[in-house]
Amino acid sequence: ETGVTQTPRHLVMGMTNKKSLKCEQHLGHNAMYWYKQSAKKPLELMFVYNFKEQTENNSVPSRFSPECPNSSHLFLHLHTLQPEDSALYLCASSQGRQENYEQYFGPGTRLTVT
Amino acid sequence: AQSVTQLDSHVSVSEGTPVLLRCNYSSSYSPSLFWYVQHPNKGLQLLLKYTSAATLVKGINGFEAEFKKSETSFHLTKPSAHMSDAAEYFCVVSARAAGNKLTFGGGTRVLVKP
Repeated sequence: ETGVTQTPRHLVMGMTNKKSLKCEQHLGHNAMYWYKQSAKKPLELMFVYNFKEQTENNSVPSRFSPECPNSSHLFLHLHTLQPEDSALYLCASSQGRQENYEQYFGPGTRLTVT
Repeated sequence: AQSVTQLDSHVSVSEGTPVLLRCNYSSSYSPSLFWYVQHPNKGLQLLLKYTSAATLVKGINGFEAEFKKSETSFHLTKPSAHMSDAAEYFCVVSARAAGNKLTFGGGTRVLVKP
């Protein structure tokens, strides 16, 4: 596998379920990100990890819990979600956190909360 | 603070005709600028980036963009549209003093007519 992979690609869950999204990057990058993409809204940065340490949490509700066990893997644990959390969740990675480093995105997980 | 405005939410072109996607940015600092493309049900793919070198930047698939500091613009062009160019395009700004965060524009959806 190359680039950034995400699983599952689609997920339907009830508001009381617990599920996890997985992201893996095969690029040797040191920084990883979670974004939320909702219809008619710009991409929203949720979390940033650099060398496995969380460096940003953009006021994300605690029902979203990230985990970064190593520089290649990133998880987003979901618990007690709301219907408005339905969106495309994108994972990205970059070589580092400098402003000129482009980010490489995975295909996303389409989440539907019922 | 930094922001990005994509001036057209939708652009419709005929195959073989030029494409112009307009982007204006606001940044108090020397920014890096990017254009990404997102095809349906796919993640974002980098088309090109500007990082204070040449002001005319060439990207993949025949796209190019020109950085104009005096106009705070970074418009994306392609001389001849192809059916495969139908997608959503995002203009993105990043600056060190803004924490190296990517700030995304609202996107421009391109329709290519045969």
